[in-house]
Amino acid sequence: QVQLQESGPGLLKASQTLSLTCAVSGGSIISGRYSWGWIRQPRGKALEWIGHIYGSDNAFSNPSLETRVTILVDRLKNDFSLKLYTVTAADTAVYFCARVSGGPYNGHFDSWGQGHEVIVSS
Amino acid sequence: QSVLTQPPSVSGAPGQRVTISCTGSSSNIGAGYGVHWYQQVPGTAPRLLIYDNTNRPSGVPDRFSGSKSGTSATLAITGLQAEDEADYYCQSFDGSLSVEIFGGGTKLTVL
Repeated sequence: QVQLQESGPGLLKASQTLSLTCAVSGGSIISGRYSWGWIRQPRGKALEWIGHIYGSDNAFSNPSLETRVTILVDRLKNDFSLKLYTVTAADTAVYFCARVSGGPYNGHFDSWGQGHEVIVSS
Repeated sequence: QSVLTQPPSVSGAPGQRVTISCTGSSSNIGAGYGVHWYQQVPGTAPRLLIYDNTNRPSGVPDRFSGSKSGTSATLAITGLQAEDEADYYCQSFDGSLSVEIFGGGTKLTVL
């Protein structure tokens, strides 16, 4: 049973870079069967797809965030990361990492981390 | 405003059947992309309920079922239980926008 766990800072100031890591246990991140993704959810609002990565270097992201997002895989640590540049208060949300099956396009998120709240102050 | 439209809320009494709709367009659901459904109890991570329109992951009760027709999809829950009270989200892919999309979510209240 794969497990995912997000980690990173919980409080940022506007214009800083958000860096989150998702540790994967119970399975290899480079198995080739899955993609690995990030989704966020502002408090009381709907889920929003940020992006995901398949293989080790094929990443694609939400066009609304694309210029500010980098998603990378670390094979040695069996984890993957999200960087979101130049954050604003609008980036305040709970950030989830998830495993993607059936992808890379139109896949479904079949395992999720517990979520990590990020607050951006101005 | 979400590309996939869901009713904000639905409700039902224990034992009843409820349905939640997810309406898209010709560039997503209508283009043949699969619809997936998630259940989220507030304060927790979403849980996959249905994938590729009709398939249930192992461990999901058969009270939950999914269907798709044209530009819409539906999640049905039969034999409603108190533990089903949660938010439900549909997800698909939009080929015109090249983006994974979620519905706005539906809050299910068990009366």
